Amino acid sequence: NAGVMQNPRHLVRRRGQEARLRCSPMKGHSHVYWYRQLPEEGLKFMVYLQKENIIDESGMPKERFSAEFPKEGPSILRIQQVVRGDSAAYFCASSPRDSNEKLFFGSGTQLSVL
Amino acid sequence: GIQVEQSPPDLILQEGANSTLRCNFSDSVNNLQWFHQNPWGQLINLFYIPSGTKQNGRLSATTVATERYSLLYISSSQTTDSGVYFCAVVPGANSKLTFGKGITLSVRP
Repeated sequence: NAGVMQNPRHLVRRRGQEARLRCSPMKGHSHVYWYRQLPEEGLKFMVYLQKENIIDESGMPKERFSAEFPKEGPSILRIQQVVRGDSAAYFCASSPRDSNEKLFFGSGTQLSVL
Repeated sequence: GIQVEQSPPDLILQEGANSTLRCNFSDSVNNLQWFHQNPWGQLINLFYIPSGTKQNGRLSATTVATERYSLLYISSSQTTDSGVYFCAVVPGANSKLTFGKGITLSVRP
């Protein structure tokens, strides 16, 4: 039973490019969460999704960031026109039903913006 | 929103020592979890413990929901216990898991 799979593990982009981060939840999990971690800081919530629905996006910047979790395929976190301040580790987590259950995290994607 | 305070912020132990990590939260919670982030950045779920006491090997955790705190006990620490320990809580239904700032633990051989 594979865990939460994130790819790529490392992503390097130049300012102005687009970054696409992928997350496949654990088998049987229909809830996905994205978190961002800056160096030496805790994890900050970004967005909570179920299949085809955004439940809570209160932590997402209003511009340039979007997330989806289609009926088929992985969840995608998309960052358009990246800036240096977007450099961070982005973690995805999944749970079977809702946020009141145990969350399992992927290994993260380290985004570096040059 | 809910506040999650962890203490101490940093902890240095000699291998074999015991330690207690504390998490205080400002409101009632439906869910509390402890995570360990190892030096490679991987986050491991240690405990799902909204209340009561659980044990897993050398680790145990206790949450006293009515007094709004949780404790993580590490006994006979090993160098592989090094990393950052996060407490995270969910204050209500369909609310997001909110993390504390973490406790950095270094276990020296």
